[in-house]
Amino acid sequence: GQQLNQSPQSMFIQEGEDVSMNCTSSSIFNTWLWYKQDPGEGPVLLIALYKAGELTSNGRLTAQFGITRKDSFLNISASIPSDVGIYFCAGPGSQTSGSRLTFGEGTQLTVNP
Amino acid sequence: SAVISQKPSRDICQRGTSLTIQCQVDSQVTMMFWYRQQPGQSLTLIATANQGSEATYESGFVIDKFPISRPNLTFSTLTVSNMSPEDSSIYLCSAEGGRGADTQYFGPGTRLTVL
Repeated sequence: GQQLNQSPQSMFIQEGEDVSMNCTSSSIFNTWLWYKQDPGEGPVLLIALYKAGELTSNGRLTAQFGITRKDSFLNISASIPSDVGIYFCAGPGSQTSGSRLTFGEGTQLTVNP
Repeated sequence: SAVISQKPSRDICQRGTSLTIQCQVDSQVTMMFWYRQQPGQSLTLIATANQGSEATYESGFVIDKFPISRPNLTFSTLTVSNMSPEDSSIYLCSAEGGRGADTQYFGPGTRLTVL
């Protein structure tokens, strides 16, 4: 089956620092999604990417769909305490039928004030 | 984007009993999905629920254990049957939305603890 490798597993940063995390896939993806999950909540969609090379921003967040279609990164600029949470990449690879998403293992972000 | 609600938000159940989780979407959607998230883990798809047809289950999940209903385009239920402590997880429903059917929005989840 498809696998998504997400790194790093965890990050501990100071408020104001920039953050970068990435995902790589063993196969081609048609869509890359980035979610954030707060404790006790469901994942919230941050950014959706639909084309290879696409670069999309949502406030302080920027994500890119890799040219090879096998990777994506998410950057957070000028981090603030409310950025704390788990960030997941996800996508339906081209080999899946329907819209079944595969999720990365998540990046746990801690922001120290 | 779709707004999704789930009931109950959490429950504590006894071994051997069953729990039905409800998922309501604020708009009509073709595809709804059920996921399981075990403590400290990522999300794993249980099944895809399309209105008017049987749910499609992923490897490792069976209908007898996780029966699903999809009576209309805004509602679905997942039942966790004959529960054991290993079923303690967060159960999440999602629905398609956005520019492509591949984009999914999630409910807040149901935190299940089985004693």
